[in-house]
Amino acid sequence: DAGVTQSPTHLIKTRGQQVTLRCSPKSGHDTVSWYQQALGQGPQFIFQYYEEEERQRGNFPDRFSGHQFPNYSSELNVNALLLGDSALYLCASSLYGGPTDTQYFGPGTRLTVL
Amino acid sequence: DAKTTQPPSMDCAEGRAANLPCNHSTISGNEYVYWYRQIHSQGPQYIIHGLKNNETNEMASLIITEDRKSSTLILPHATLRDTAVYYCIVKGGGGTSYGKLTFGQGTILTVHP
Repeated sequence: DAGVTQSPTHLIKTRGQQVTLRCSPKSGHDTVSWYQQALGQGPQFIFQYYEEEERQRGNFPDRFSGHQFPNYSSELNVNALLLGDSALYLCASSLYGGPTDTQYFGPGTRLTVL
Repeated sequence: DAKTTQPPSMDCAEGRAANLPCNHSTISGNEYVYWYRQIHSQGPQYIIHGLKNNETNEMASLIITEDRKSSTLILPHATLRDTAVYYCIVKGGGGTSYGKLTFGQGTILTVHP
């Protein structure tokens, strides 16, 4: 049973460029959340997708957008990259509904903006 | 979601139990306590969660005080591979904060030989 997978593993971009990161959820999960983790900090919630809609959003600008596909996989897009966007981007999947929805994380995508 | 407070760092000898405390004095009735750990540059790993009863799984035990204002994660026989940052997170079971995990700085646990 595959866990959460993310691609690519590492990525280098320059300021002003756009980037797309991809996530496939754990088998049986229907919800995907994205987090940004700057060096030395804890992960910060970006947004969550369920039923192909953004259900909840953290304090991130509109440059950060996402999409969820019918097979529950998801993409995170970041436009007009800034140096400060350099971080580990984490995807977590879960099963929506019920009293808890334990999130399981992927290995992350390391984005470096030069 | 309620805020959590954890010590910034702890040490433990290999083979001994590691007891990681967490304070969450403002936790409300429908909020769960979650524990994750993160080994350097990897994705956070889910460990355990609980509402008010003590919980145990193959990785750890979670002890929640009767008033639910604090909890302790217990790794019964720590190994060098348990060296990681441990995050205690309180997450609601409903409402606007339903999906989001709010990470703090966590506790850096170092297991020594």
